Amino acid sequence: KNQVEQSPQSLIILEGKNCTLQCNYTVSPFSNLRWYKQDTGRGPVSLTIMTFSENTKSNGRYTATLDADTKQSSLHITASQLSDSASYICVVSGLSGSARQLTFGSGTQLTVLP
Amino acid sequence: DGGITQSPKYLFRKEGQNVTLSCEQNLNHDAMYWYRQDPGQGLRLIYYSQIVNDFQKGDIAEGYSVSREKKESFPLTVTSAQKNPTAFYLCASSIGTNTEAFFGQGTRLTVV
Repeated sequence: KNQVEQSPQSLIILEGKNCTLQCNYTVSPFSNLRWYKQDTGRGPVSLTIMTFSENTKSNGRYTATLDADTKQSSLHITASQLSDSASYICVVSGLSGSARQLTFGSGTQLTVLP
Repeated sequence: DGGITQSPKYLFRKEGQNVTLSCEQNLNHDAMYWYRQDPGQGLRLIYYSQIVNDFQKGDIAEGYSVSREKKESFPLTVTSAQKNPTAFYLCASSIGTNTEAFFGQGTRLTVV
């Protein structure tokens, strides 16, 4: 069964600090991995999308890494801001391309305190 | 201003009633999706459509129905057969089923 597990479930950090969120998946065969940011009561917004051959991708203060061998990904947030407070969702796509092949993690709830 | 629009933002339903959630996109995307989000769980696929006049059941289609009469529109009806409809509903669209999905702002449905 395809699964995406994210850790930690929740995280509280002080403004200006860095943090790393983890995503482990068992989806096979693998097509791509996406990280989304979801503000409370809003729709998810894409941060990065990585294919099998990509190890690192950055989007401003967000840097995603992918290790396709160990089936792990991480999202590193640098110099956190209050606006980074949100849920971060890892989504893995299977190779078939079907919408059924999108497996969503349950998210990491990040709270940035002043 | 391109995007995907869901309405209403909040919806209240009495038990036994059907309600329809609207989803419109002007991104010229072929594929559209409906997801349900419950606290502490990942998004679950209700229905998806890859082309006009065609749609497929997702993992939790029971108690829901959809139509895709126009490329821009993919409304979701929550029927009285859905036993636990209170949730946050998200609509998304993409160029293809394996490309980046763009999400609407969601509709929070509450049964009263």
